[in-house]
Amino acid sequence: EVQLVESGGGLVQPGRSLRLSCTGSGFTFSDYAMSWVRRAPGKGLEWVGFIRSQVYGATIEYAASVKGRFTISRDDSKTIAHLQMNSLKTEDTAVYYCTRWIHVQDHIDVWGKGTTVTVSS
Amino acid sequence: DIVMTQSPLFLSVTPGEPASISCRSSQNLLHSNGNKYLDWYLQKPGKSPQLLIYLGSNRASGVPDRFSGSGSGTDFTLKISRVEAEDVGDYYCMQGLQTPITFGQGTRLEIK
Repeated sequence: EVQLVESGGGLVQPGRSLRLSCTGSGFTFSDYAMSWVRRAPGKGLEWVGFIRSQVYGATIEYAASVKGRFTISRDDSKTIAHLQMNSLKTEDTAVYYCTRWIHVQDHIDVWGKGTTVTVSS
Repeated sequence: DIVMTQSPLFLSVTPGEPASISCRSSQNLLHSNGNKYLDWYLQKPGKSPQLLIYLGSNRASGVPDRFSGSGSGTDFTLKISRVEAEDVGDYYCMQGLQTPITFGQGTRLEIK
C-alpha cells in the first residue's frame, strides 16, 4: 500500500523554526517528486513547494509566501522528504500535507494524513 | 501566477440529484503536448484531500463513475451525475501547468 506519513508538527513561537518529515512507503520513492500543500484554518488548499526526482535534477520550487524561509529536501536512500520552516509567522499556522507528485502528468496522486503546525506566542 | 476561480463556492444538493462545479483559469491550461493540466480534488470532513480527476477528464483509480470532468482551455467543469451522502466535502480544482501551482478557492458541497 502506498503511504505517506508526516511528522514533526507542533506549537512554535513566531520567528522560530520547525522541521517536518515525510516518510514514504509502498512505492519507489526516488521515482517521484514530493510536494507539500497546506491548509490554514478556515482557508483553502495552498501549494507550498516541491522537489523533483533525481531524474529531473531534484530541482525545487516554492510558493512566493514561503520562499527564502522554507527549504525542501529529500533523502531517497531513507525514502524521506523534509520541510524545514524558518522564521515562522502566525499565518503559517496550518495542516501540512506531504504529497506525491506525478511528473509529466503534473498532479498530486497521493496525500498523507497531514501534520498540524501552530505558530503562536 | 495562474488564478483559478471556482463557482459556486457553496452547493446544497438533494441526494440523487446532479451537481456541477465550474473552474476557470486565468491562462490556457492546454499544453502543446495535448494535455490539459487541470485536476480536481475532494477533501471530505476530517480527511486528507483525494484525487478525483486528472488532466481534465481522467478519473483516478477507485473514483466512482458518477464523477466526470470536462472542459478545455480556461473553462472546466466537474459533474456528479447523482449526488450521494458520501460526496460531502470541499472540492478544489488545481492547475499543474506551471509553478506556482495554484488551487481554486474551493466549493463546499452539502447534502440537503
